[in-house]
Formats: sequence, structure tokens, C-alpha cells
Amino acid sequence: GQNIDQPTEMTATEGAIVQINCTYQTSGFNGLFWYQQHAGEAPTFLSYNVLDGLEEKGRFSSFLSRSKGYSYLLLKELQMKDSASYLCAVLDSNYQLIWGAGTKLIIKP
Amino acid sequence: GAVVSQHPSWVICKSGTSVKIECRSLDFQATTMFWYRQFPKQSLMLMATSNEGSKATYEQGVEKDKFLINHASLTLSTLTVTSAHPEDSSFYICSAREERELNEQFFGPGTRLTVL
Repeated sequence: GQNIDQPTEMTATEGAIVQINCTYQTSGFNGLFWYQQHAGEAPTFLSYNVLDGLEEKGRFSSFLSRSKGYSYLLLKELQMKDSASYLCAVLDSNYQLIWGAGTKLIIKP
Repeated sequence: GAVVSQHPSWVICKSGTSVKIECRSLDFQATTMFWYRQFPKQSLMLMATSNEGSKATYEQGVEKDKFLINHASLTLSTLTVTSAHPEDSSFYICSAREERELNEQFFGPGTRLTVL
């Protein structure tokens, strides 16, 4: 079966750095996405990795290791507005998105 | 970037009525549209995949006679929740994809359905 694991909840302090991990086992792989979702809103795109390595975009970076079935999202200089759920999703061999359950990130002042 | 709209943003209806949700791609042709449902504190659950001009493919456990999907044009797909019941109350999100860009889905803002 297809499976994506990420922590249910994480807490971090404003201004700090947090890393959200995601491991996956899917039928084929056509890339891994990270989305941010605030309560009551649709997901918004953060990053897409299809090759191994680190992709940096401002305060957010995403890493992928295909051999390990592993990715992480790194958030730097945390702000209160970063409090949200972060969803890891893998595009499988049929180009369907397989979703993780999401990690609720709580930022404390 | 590509924009997807949904209408309505929220709807409240009585049990037993039917509700139609529209999903539109505003600046691109969406050959494929996806309908998701999300319950509170849970992740997105794919309900069905629809390709323009053909019948939708429903995920296991999703009743096709209850959740009617029509994708009659390259810019519009509709989801009709027939004979809605309180357990159908959820956040419904659509996404759209172009034929040439299989690795990109653009999400609508979602529709909050509350069935009384």
C-alpha cells in the first residue's frame, strides 16, 4: 500500500528554526510536494522536489532523498503567521497526489 | 500563476436537499480536475478524478450516485451532493491540472458545506 508519515504536531518558538520530516512509500514517484494550510483554507503550494537535494526558497527549504524515501521542510526565522498545518504529498506513478495527514505547527512567542 | 475558483465559498442547507459546487479554471484549460474532501483536523481525501468529456473515476468508498461530478468543459467541473445529510458536512476542495503539466495541480479556495 501507499503510505506517507509525518509528525502530527510540532511546537517551536518565534524566530527559531524547525524541521518537519516526511517519509513515504508509494507506487512510483514523480515528485514530492509541501503545502501550507491554514485552518479553513485550501492548501497553498510551498515546494516541489523531484531530484535529490535541497531546494531553498526564502525562509523555507525542502530536501529530498529518493533512495531513503525521505523529505524534510525547513522553516527558518519562524514568524507567528507560520502557525499552520504542513502537508507532505507525493505524486505517484499515475500522477495522483498521495497525501500525508499533515503536521500542525504551533509557534509560541 | 494559474487560478482556480470555487463557488460557493460556503453553503448551509437542510438535510435532504442537493447542493452544487462549481470549480473553474480561470486562465488555463483543465483537462483533469480533482475533488477532495477534508474533515476537521484530517488531511485531504481524494474523492474522484474527472477528465473533460468523460465519466469521473471515483475512489473506493465514495458513492458516485451521491456525489455527482460533471466535467463538461475544459474550464468547469461541478460536484453535486445529492440528498445531503449532516455527515456530508465537510470542506470540499477542487484542484485542476493541464494536460501538459502532469506534476502541477492548482487548488481552489474550497467550499465549506454545512448540512443541518
